[in-house]
Amino acid sequence: DIVMTQSPDSLAVSLGERATINCKSSQSVLYSSNNKNSLAWYQHKPGQPPKLLIYWASTRESGVPDRFSGSGSGTDFTLTISSLQAEDVAVYYCQQYYTTPHTFGQGTKLEIK
Amino acid sequence: EVQLVQSGAEVKKPGESLKISCKGSGYRFTSQWIGWVRQMPGKGLEWMGIIYPGDSDTRYSPSFQGQVTISADKSISTAYLQWSSLKASDTAMYYCGRFAYDILTGYFDYWGQGTLVTVSS
Repeated sequence: DIVMTQSPDSLAVSLGERATINCKSSQSVLYSSNNKNSLAWYQHKPGQPPKLLIYWASTRESGVPDRFSGSGSGTDFTLTISSLQAEDVAVYYCQQYYTTPHTFGQGTKLEIK
Repeated sequence: EVQLVQSGAEVKKPGESLKISCKGSGYRFTSQWIGWVRQMPGKGLEWMGIIYPGDSDTRYSPSFQGQVTISADKSISTAYLQWSSLKASDTAMYYCGRFAYDILTGYFDYWGQGTLVTVSS
């Protein structure tokens, strides 16, 4: 299985400040058919299902605010929230979908400082 | 509008069997993979397995192979997650999710609301 490791496990950021979450895969997740990285980011709030934010490492899902952005390639990826809003408090997960099982990272809990 | 609607919460005893469901609508159910994800209390998301309803091709995570059965009835656009003998450690929230594409390299773009399974004597 590909192991996904996120850092940090938890993060406290002031409103309006930048939040950065990292994700490292144990092997490359580059999909040769389209030369894109098979990496997604989800936001998960209590009492709700997970919500897709980013796919192919950097493509924002429709309707997701542009303060959310994804970057990275190969084995190292980053989710950035450019200006933290109160509604962004959640747990964030990366997931590789390059090969089954499509493993998730352990999650990063984002809070307001 | 794409929707995945899961069956309701369940309370079961150890050793009992259970089958929970996920009904898809608003898209061609047979043409996109559907998967199951577990979240144990206070823990993260775990990818369990997926099924392609068109031909019932099924892939399991090694962690869940032999522990659960994933199936689908395309005539009623419903996927299932089934246990033959529940354990207390199966207590969790279970989510179904739809792949964005009809290929195996896909992420979940739509999710069900979740089914809480509680196993307790």
